[in-house]
Amino acid sequence: QVHLQESGPGLVKPSQTLSLACTVSGGSISTGSYYWSWIRQPAGKGLEWIGRVYPTGSTSYNPSLDSRVTLSLDTSKNQFSLNLISMTAADTAVYYCARGVGAGQKRHFDYWGQGTLVTVSS
Amino acid sequence: SYELTQPPSVSVSPGQTATIACSGDKLGDRYASWYQQKSGQSPVLVIYEDSKRPAGIPERYSASNSGNTATLTISGTQAMDEADYYCQAWDSSAVMFGGGTKLTVL
Repeated sequence: QVHLQESGPGLVKPSQTLSLACTVSGGSISTGSYYWSWIRQPAGKGLEWIGRVYPTGSTSYNPSLDSRVTLSLDTSKNQFSLNLISMTAADTAVYYCARGVGAGQKRHFDYWGQGTLVTVSS
Repeated sequence: SYELTQPPSVSVSPGQTATIACSGDKLGDRYASWYQQKSGQSPVLVIYEDSKRPAGIPERYSASNSGNTATLTISGTQAMDEADYYCQAWDSSAVMFGGGTKLTVL
């Protein structure tokens, strides 16, 4: 059974950088069949895709966040990470990591982490 | 940018059929997935590739996708089905989610 667990600070000051990690157990992040994503959800609102990283290290980001976000892999720890710079109150949300599966338009998310609440406040 | 539109809320009586729509331009030419999110929990995949159910998802969950609308149907709705439901599709290389529909089982 695949399990994903987010970790990182729950509080970030405005203008600072958010760094989150997602540790994957029950499977290797290097498996070519899957890709790894971050998705966030402000309180009481819907889901927003942040980006994805493939085992090759190739990335793709939500155009609305492209200038501020970086995803990366650490295969030695079986983790993938999110860096989001210039944080503002609008970035306050629960951040989920998720495993993506499928090819092309068939891609979907079959496993999700429990989520971690990140609050941006001074 | 591509948008997916869902009704904010749907109500259903126990045992009845709930239908949740997700609309987008030529959505039927793409594949739709659906996620269930109960209060305080992470989303759970309930439908992928328009109409396929992952292991462990009850048969009462079904879906279709044609034209501009994808539809999630829950037959014999139970109290445990009360949740927010999100549709999802891909646009170019980006993921799109609908705004979510709150299903209330009255």
